[in-house]
Amino acid sequence: GENVEQHPSTLSVQEGDSAVIKCTYSDSASNYFPWYKQELGKRPQLIIDIRSNVGEKKDQRIAVTLNKTAKHFSLHITETQPEDSAVYFCAASIGTGANNLFFGTGTRLTVIP
Amino acid sequence: NAGVTQTPKFQVLKTGQSMTLQCAQDMNHEYMSWYRQDPGMGLRLIHYSVGAGITDQGEVRNGYNVSRSPTEDFPLRLLSAAPSQTSVYFCASSWDISTDTQYFGPGTRLTVL
Repeated sequence: GENVEQHPSTLSVQEGDSAVIKCTYSDSASNYFPWYKQELGKRPQLIIDIRSNVGEKKDQRIAVTLNKTAKHFSLHITETQPEDSAVYFCAASIGTGANNLFFGTGTRLTVIP
Repeated sequence: NAGVTQTPKFQVLKTGQSMTLQCAQDMNHEYMSWYRQDPGMGLRLIHYSVGAGITDQGEVRNGYNVSRSPTEDFPLRLLSAAPSQTSVYFCASSWDISTDTQYFGPGTRLTVL
């Protein structure tokens, strides 16, 4: 099956700086790559996603890039704010949507005011 | 809409006991799934269902059973609980197997002694 690796496991940034989280996947058939944010004790929530036919997608301060050749994708958060502090998970799916997702191990982001 | 609901929120079991984790959604979603979340391991798919009476296993294969009838409910049964099943369990649903946005329930924290 698919194997998703995520780095770093922890990340601390100063408020206003940018944060980048990287993931690699093993199965070249994967074609859907969502990112989830999970606050302490809460459920995961989808923040952005990208399909394999797109190289980059942006939503305000959040962007995701995908390199299919290298089989890696990244989450970029600009102008970080304390409320961005959470655990972020990447995932990959071979299916046509958010089914049979394989998750990375998570990155704990801390934004220091 | 209540969205995706899960009960109980917390549960403590003794080794060998059986129990059912409840999951329901009121959004007429066809696709439902169960994940477990362990520290440092992200979320892993246990079972999923694409419609009434149709279920399949994910990467976590042993010790769990599911059913899907009616389509609003997707209970997860632990047949004989083991300490290795101590985890946080999340139920999720989406419109159908090809839909991107997956909605997660609030989770059930299970401890097996």
